[in-house]
Amino acid sequence: NAGVTQTPKFQVLKTGQSMTLQCAQDMNHEYMSWYRQDPGMGLRLIHYSVGAGITDQGEVPNGYNVSRSTTEDFPLRLLSAAPSQTSVYFCASSPMGTSSNQPQHFGDGTRLSIL
Amino acid sequence: DAKTTQPTSMDCAEGRAANLPCNHSTISGNEYVYWYRQIHSQGPQYIIHGLKNNETNEMASLIITEDRKSSTLILPHATLRDTAVYYCISPSSNTGKLIFGQGTTLQVKP
Repeated sequence: NAGVTQTPKFQVLKTGQSMTLQCAQDMNHEYMSWYRQDPGMGLRLIHYSVGAGITDQGEVPNGYNVSRSTTEDFPLRLLSAAPSQTSVYFCASSPMGTSSNQPQHFGDGTRLSIL
Repeated sequence: DAKTTQPTSMDCAEGRAANLPCNHSTISGNEYVYWYRQIHSQGPQYIIHGLKNNETNEMASLIITEDRKSSTLILPHATLRDTAVYYCISPSSNTGKLIFGQGTTLQVKP
């Protein structure tokens, strides 16, 4: 049981490049989400999904796109990377549909630097 | 989503109990209180959660006041490896969104 798997672990991009951060879970969880964490700061919610085909915005969605075509995968896309998007990105999942009685499981993070 | 308030930092002596407080005065009746911690730059680690009753697991105890406006996370015998940022969070009962605040930086000292 791999849990929540994020790839890549590290990435360096140039301004204006695009890329997709991958997140996969093998626990059949309905709920998945993406956070970013800047140095010395708490986590901020970017986008989340309560099930396949359903996504919604979090606190800081600008500059990011998501889709949820399968239960297992929840990729995060940067269409045109900017230095302000340099951060550590965490993906999380939980079994919940609308119940909040389930803890979220986090991946190990993707460390993204944009030059 | 209930707003939570925590002290910015706390110190604890190794081997002693660490008591981390959290205020969540706007919590609604069906919203849980969750505690996570983050060690260095690792992904947040789930510790414990509760609704009304006090809870205990292998990692910690959670004491929730009767009016549910505040709670305390207790690490009974803190070790140096418990040094971390501890987050008290109450996710939305409708969407499950976790909104992280700044958390409490716990420093366990020898």
